[in-house]
Amino acid sequence: QITLKESGPTLVKPTQTLTLTCTFSGFSLSTSGVGVGWIRQPPGKALEWLALIYWDDDKRYSPSLKSRLTITKDTSKNQVVLTMTNMDPVDTATYYCAHRRRGYSDYWGQGTLVTVSS
Amino acid sequence: QSALTQPASVSGSPGQSITISCTGTSSDVGSYNLVSWYQQHPGKAPKLMIYEGSKRPSGVSNRFSGSKSGNTASLTISGLQAEDEADYYCCSYAGSSTFEVFGGGTKLTVL
Repeated sequence: QITLKESGPTLVKPTQTLTLTCTFSGFSLSTSGVGVGWIRQPPGKALEWLALIYWDDDKRYSPSLKSRLTITKDTSKNQVVLTMTNMDPVDTATYYCAHRRRGYSDYWGQGTLVTVSS
Repeated sequence: QSALTQPASVSGSPGQSITISCTGTSSDVGSYNLVSWYQQHPGKAPKLMIYEGSKRPSGVSNRFSGSKSGNTASLTISGLQAEDEADYYCCSYAGSSTFEVFGGGTKLTVL
């Protein structure tokens, strides 16, 4: 059974760096073809794809946010970490991590709401 | 503004069929057979309903089907049921630079 859970701060101040951790079970990030991605959703708005890391450490980022994002994995801990620098109130959103296959996200975490406010 | 264009809302009565469109470009939907569709109920995480354009994950009802024509992908739900009322999002691979883009979402109301 594949499960994922996001964790991190619920409130960050403008200009701060956000660090989110996705802890998963039921699969290994050393298995060929497997990845973990991050997607966010501002309140009442659409989903936005952010970043993705594959089993072979290939990393992909949203072009519009690439300069602010870093994704890493710790295979031994079954964790993927996303950092986003220079947070702004417009970054207020629910952040999801998801198990990835080529072209789709088949298992999602419950999401974590991050509010950016001073 | 989302990269893929979906109607903001669609509606149908129980038992009817509805189709949600997802219009992209020749750089995403039109070039790859990597469109996926997600269902999201209020306050819940998205759920994969269709992948690779027309494939259904195990456990997803065969009332849900996907297709593509040119730069437009479509999700069809037949035999509408009350529990189908949700937001639906399309997503497409968009090449190695952009990588992946979502649609703006469609709210389905079952009348």
